[in-house]
Amino acid sequence: SQTIHQWPATLVQPVGSPLSLECTVEGTSNPNLYWYRQAAGRGLQLLFYSVGIGQISSEVPQNLSASRPQDRQFILSSKKLLLSDSGFYLCAWSVGQGLGGYTFGSGTRLTVV
Amino acid sequence: GENVGLHLPTLSVQEGDNSIINCAYSNSASDYFIWYKQESGKGPQFIIDIRSNMDKRQGQRVTVLLNKTVKHLSLQIAATQPGDSAVYFCAENMSGGYSTLTFGKGTMLLVSP
Repeated sequence: SQTIHQWPATLVQPVGSPLSLECTVEGTSNPNLYWYRQAAGRGLQLLFYSVGIGQISSEVPQNLSASRPQDRQFILSSKKLLLSDSGFYLCAWSVGQGLGGYTFGSGTRLTVV
Repeated sequence: GENVGLHLPTLSVQEGDNSIINCAYSNSASDYFIWYKQESGKGPQFIIDIRSNMDKRQGQRVTVLLNKTVKHLSLQIAATQPGDSAVYFCAENMSGGYSTLTFGKGTMLLVSP
């Protein structure tokens, strides 16, 4: 069966520090991968998606970047965190376009202080 | 991305009641719809989906209704239980070409014992 792992679960980082969140998927090949951010009490905002190794599409210009160094690995990064980067970050995967839905990871709660 | 107020719409029901959560979607070309449930601090979980060639689909205690004329989607939960308390999101997508899921703003369901 397919599983998605996301870590860490919680993270407190000072303003100006770097960020690296990792997401890996098991049990499937060539998944589409997604990074979402969710601010408190709000909906899900798509940040990046990837249809293959090294292929990244950015939905919202911001202080973050994404990389896909391996087929089932998706990394969200920042060189210098801002207070506004605080939020709940969710990784997801789908088969192809996702007409069977996306499967989400358990999320990372990032607090920038 | 989504711009929503800080306070999600909230539906409060008593245990055992039937709940109806509504969603208006924006893209008339969307032909695939999903309802997700998100418990506090967790990633969204797939509940039920429906394609545009249907107007009703039933699962276990849940029913999704689709009205393409007015671009409206609803989720009905029968005999609501305290464990159903969560935020519910609708999502839409288009088959053909490449598109990503677009999430609605979310509704918080509170079930009182």
